[in-house]
Amino acid sequence: EPEVTQTPSHQVTQMGQEVILRCVPISNHLYFYWYRQILGQKVEFLVSFYNNEISEKSEIFDDQFSVERPDGSNFTLKIRSTKLEDSAMYFCASSGNRGTDSFFGQGTRLTVV
Amino acid sequence: DQQVKQNSPSLSVQEGRISILNCDYTNSMFDYFLWYKKYPAEGPTFLISISSIKDKNEDGRFTVFLNKSAKHLSLHIVPSQPGDSAVYFCAAISSGSARQLTFGSGTQLTVLP
Repeated sequence: EPEVTQTPSHQVTQMGQEVILRCVPISNHLYFYWYRQILGQKVEFLVSFYNNEISEKSEIFDDQFSVERPDGSNFTLKIRSTKLEDSAMYFCASSGNRGTDSFFGQGTRLTVV
Repeated sequence: DQQVKQNSPSLSVQEGRISILNCDYTNSMFDYFLWYKKYPAEGPTFLISISSIKDKNEDGRFTVFLNKSAKHLSLHIVPSQPGDSAVYFCAAISSGSARQLTFGSGTQLTVLP
């Protein structure tokens, strides 16, 4: 069964450092998303990406965040200068049918120290 | 701004009985609803979905009911099995958006053997 894969599974970084979270979406999907879940809180939408551009982003997705699909298979989330409050599980999702079939990766646990 | 609410943080059910998980929403623009199951340290796994033009969708042991006038949906699992123990998230998609998911806070289901 096709699946979304994310690497690394756990990333520890120092405050102020840049991190890149990587995702390989399901191959024939066209819509890509990043979500995050801070411990004990809801899963929150960060950004959606379609046709090689951001289609929507939340208030959380400020100038410190960026996304890229550099090679047609990977989908990355970059945080330029991490803050303590960026510590969370980050989930990548992809969809072939405008969100109604969103499949999630297993997540990357980001810990900022 | 809780557009999707799951008011029961936890539910315990005896094996073999019915589990009913509830979800309320406030945004009239939501036109598609999904249920996800999540184990610790894993990504959400899609279970079942329903379009706003329907009031019921069934898939094996899982049935989702939608009451648009009450802005309420529920997930029925019957018969419940110990392996169903997980956190269940209700999610909704808004028409006209980039089709990102808005999640509820989740309900921890425990099925007792």
